Amino acid sequence: QQQVKQSPQSLIVQKGGISIINCAYENTAFDYFPWYQQFPGKGPALLIAIRPDVSEKKEGRFTISFNKSAKQFSLHIMDSQPGDSATYFCAARVKSSGSARQLTFGSGTQLTVLP
Amino acid sequence: DGGITQSPKYLFRKEGQNVTLSCEQNLNHDAMYWYRQDPGQGLRLIYYSQIVNDFQKGDIAEGYSVSREKKESFPLTVTSAQKNPTAFYLCASRERGGNTIYFGEGSWLTVV
Repeated sequence: QQQVKQSPQSLIVQKGGISIINCAYENTAFDYFPWYQQFPGKGPALLIAIRPDVSEKKEGRFTISFNKSAKQFSLHIMDSQPGDSATYFCAARVKSSGSARQLTFGSGTQLTVLP
Repeated sequence: DGGITQSPKYLFRKEGQNVTLSCEQNLNHDAMYWYRQDPGQGLRLIYYSQIVNDFQKGDIAEGYSVSREKKESFPLTVTSAQKNPTAFYLCASRERGGNTIYFGEGSWLTVV
């Protein structure tokens, strides 16, 4: 079964610190790795995404690091802010042959940034 | 504004009753999805649809049903056969060829 394992389940960081969330996968057919951010009572929203042909992607304070050989990818939030407090999901998608199948999601990390 | 509208936001159901959650999108997306979210379990796919009048079971389809009679609408019925229906339900959509899945604001279903 396709799985994406995410850790930690919860994370508490001081304002200004670095938040790091990790994900690991087994299926080498995954070709797209997004991160979603979800605030309480809201639907998830795409935060940043990466393809396996690059090792890092940065957008503002958010960076994805990708290690293809280890089948791991991680989200780094630099200078974490209280407004970053949310649940973060990693996900992966199988290389598509036209199917609209879907994303396989990790179990989520609840991030709390203390002021 | 373009987006995905889910209704109702909160719904209470008595055991043994069916309930239908509405999902409407005006993004002109071809694919639509229903996910269930439980604490600590991430998002699990219930059903998805690529085109009108076609839909596929996801990982946890038992006790649920859907229809796709119109491109913009993808309602989910939670039947009495679903043993643990209390959850947060998320509808999503994706344009043809696109990578990003866009989510609605979700519907909370509580069985009382």
